[in-house]
Amino acid sequence: DAGVTQSPTHLIKTRGQQVTLRCSPKSGHDTVSWYQQALGQGPQFIFQYYEEEERQRGNFPDRFSGHQFPNYSSELNVNALLLGDSALYLCASSQGLDLYFGPGTRLLVL
Amino acid sequence: GENVEQHPSTLSVQEGDSAVIKCTYSDSASNYFPWYKQELGKGPQLIIDIRSNVGEKKDQRIAVTLNKTAKHFSLHITETQPEDSAVYFCAAPYDTGRRALTFGSGTRLQVQP
Repeated sequence: DAGVTQSPTHLIKTRGQQVTLRCSPKSGHDTVSWYQQALGQGPQFIFQYYEEEERQRGNFPDRFSGHQFPNYSSELNVNALLLGDSALYLCASSQGLDLYFGPGTRLLVL
Repeated sequence: GENVEQHPSTLSVQEGDSAVIKCTYSDSASNYFPWYKQELGKGPQLIIDIRSNVGEKKDQRIAVTLNKTAKHFSLHITETQPEDSAVYFCAAPYDTGRRALTFGSGTRLQVQP
């Protein structure tokens, strides 16, 4: 049983560009959440998707948007990239309370 | 939303010793407290959790305790091994009744052989 997968593993962008990150949840999981983890810090909640709708959102600007597809996979989009958006972006899937994280996508904004 | 504080930020122990990491939370309605282990280049991995109806839970060398009155919970690792070296995060529900989590700032545990 494959766990949570994310693509790409690494990405380099320049300020002002847009980026799309992808996530496939663990088999049987219907909820996908996205977290941003800056270097040396804990993951910070961006938003959560369930039944193709954003169910809850953390303290992130509208530049961060997402989508969930009928097969439960998800995308995270970030527009107008800033240097401060450089981080590890983690996707987590869940069926109940327990979150299962993917390996993350490391984004570097130059 | 919830606020979680974690101490210490770094912890170095000798192999075989015990390690204790402590967290406090702010929302008295929180009822689920997981702990995650993150190794270099990997995503966080759930290692144990405790729910508000119990005060202690053990799984082999790992135990968690919860004090709801004081709003703090702790992770205890006994007989530490070099493979326990990693960053550990505590967490609590972002909002009551939701599945999202607020994480502590992490503890880098180094087990010296």
